[in-house]
Amino acid sequence: AQSVTQLDSQVPVFEEAPVELRCNYSSSVSVYLFWYVQYPNQGLQLLLKYLSGSTLVKGINGFEADYNKSQTSFHLRKPSVHISDTAEYVCAVSDWGGAQKLVFGQGTRLTINP
Amino acid sequence: EADIYQTPRYLVIGTGKKITLECSQTMGHDKMYWYQQDPGMELHLIHYSYGVNSTEKGDLSSESTVSRIRTEHFPLTLESARPSHTSQYLCASSDPPGQGGNEQFFGPGTRLTVL
Repeated sequence: AQSVTQLDSQVPVFEEAPVELRCNYSSSVSVYLFWYVQYPNQGLQLLLKYLSGSTLVKGINGFEADYNKSQTSFHLRKPSVHISDTAEYVCAVSDWGGAQKLVFGQGTRLTINP
Repeated sequence: EADIYQTPRYLVIGTGKKITLECSQTMGHDKMYWYQQDPGMELHLIHYSYGVNSTEKGDLSSESTVSRIRTEHFPLTLESARPSHTSQYLCASSDPPGQGGNEQFFGPGTRLTVL
């Protein structure tokens, strides 16, 4: 069975500062990895995903993530954040076969301060 | 933008009532999912479907039931709502394998409150 740990429940950052949101996973099989963003009272929107190939994945809104297989991590980064990035960020993992169900982390609340 | 819809967005209802949460998608996806999310907690899968006439229980036990009579429609039903069912319910659908690596597209959610 897979599991996902997001190490920080809340991350406050000043506007235009860089940010890293951490995600570690455990799995005995090969996986797909995802970062979703959730704005208040909305569903989840995909930021980026790792399926295979390059370990540096670029997504929407200037976000990128680095897949590290040896450390089983998939940390999300942005070099300069904006007020509009304030949201909940959720990391998820899925196996390659079967139902391909997603297992989610608990989420990280990113708050951007002016 | 994903074309997956959920109604109602908000529902406040009394104990013992029967409710159905609607979920529809226009992307032709075979796989659909229902997740439950309590405040401050992670999403948990409660039901999923591989396609028409297929329904499976998820990882989190739920008293709700689902049906899949049409590809685009995946409603969730609670026969007798209780306060413990108060939560947010998110519906999702996904691409076939090889066409998106199981990217799941999410609806806006239904926030259910049972008094």
